[in-house]
Amino acid sequence: GAGVSQTPSNKVTEKGKYVELRCDPISGHTALYWYRQSLGQGPEFLIYFQGTGAADDSGLPNDRFFAVRPEGSVSTLKIQRTERGDSAVYLCASSLPRGTGANVLTFGAGSRLTVL
Amino acid sequence: AQTVTQSQPEMSVQEAETVTLSCTYDTSESDYYLFWYKQPPSRQMILVIRQEAYKQQNATENRFSVNFQKAAKSFSLKISDSQLGDAAMYFCAYSGGTSYGKLTFGQGTILTVHP
Repeated sequence: GAGVSQTPSNKVTEKGKYVELRCDPISGHTALYWYRQSLGQGPEFLIYFQGTGAADDSGLPNDRFFAVRPEGSVSTLKIQRTERGDSAVYLCASSLPRGTGANVLTFGAGSRLTVL
Repeated sequence: AQTVTQSQPEMSVQEAETVTLSCTYDTSESDYYLFWYKQPPSRQMILVIRQEAYKQQNATENRFSVNFQKAAKSFSLKISDSQLGDAAMYFCAYSGGTSYGKLTFGQGTILTVHP
């Protein structure tokens, strides 16, 4: 697509529920990133995919968070047993392969998750 | 670990005037990139300008320019001829040369533009 697409735009869930957030990157962008942005803060890195594999998942806060990218395109961020502290905007970004894109990320508009 | 600090939570400027947003960072790496991103209420982060650490020349993109002081680890953004559409949250970000795409962001500066 022309840009990075994220769905849903907004998600409200109850504490303890499971949620999935989807990211559709720019066509041809093999690198994909997830960031989390809490209210009034800058985004924080969660995970980076190069192709289908997670090249760096050091930012995932705990084992309730998991992300997949089975075909090297669309990615899904999965959060189990949601907690109120998970409420944030989850941003996805994509970029060209390393060495070709001057390290430039294109971001989506994010998915705002609210856990009641 | 790398850190990025934006010491100005809020800034304001009159339309057509110039404003400078401050950013400092801390790193032990010699190869890295610095960025300024703009985030309007739509939430989408938009790249404003980027600087490669090995380049001594300050980056410029139309009305936007940076003052990159490598020794002082300072990276400020100057917006000239400010426009109403420049109003947004601005984030300074760092990426190490070996951490492709893994950005460390500052806390952000809210810029208000007065007509």
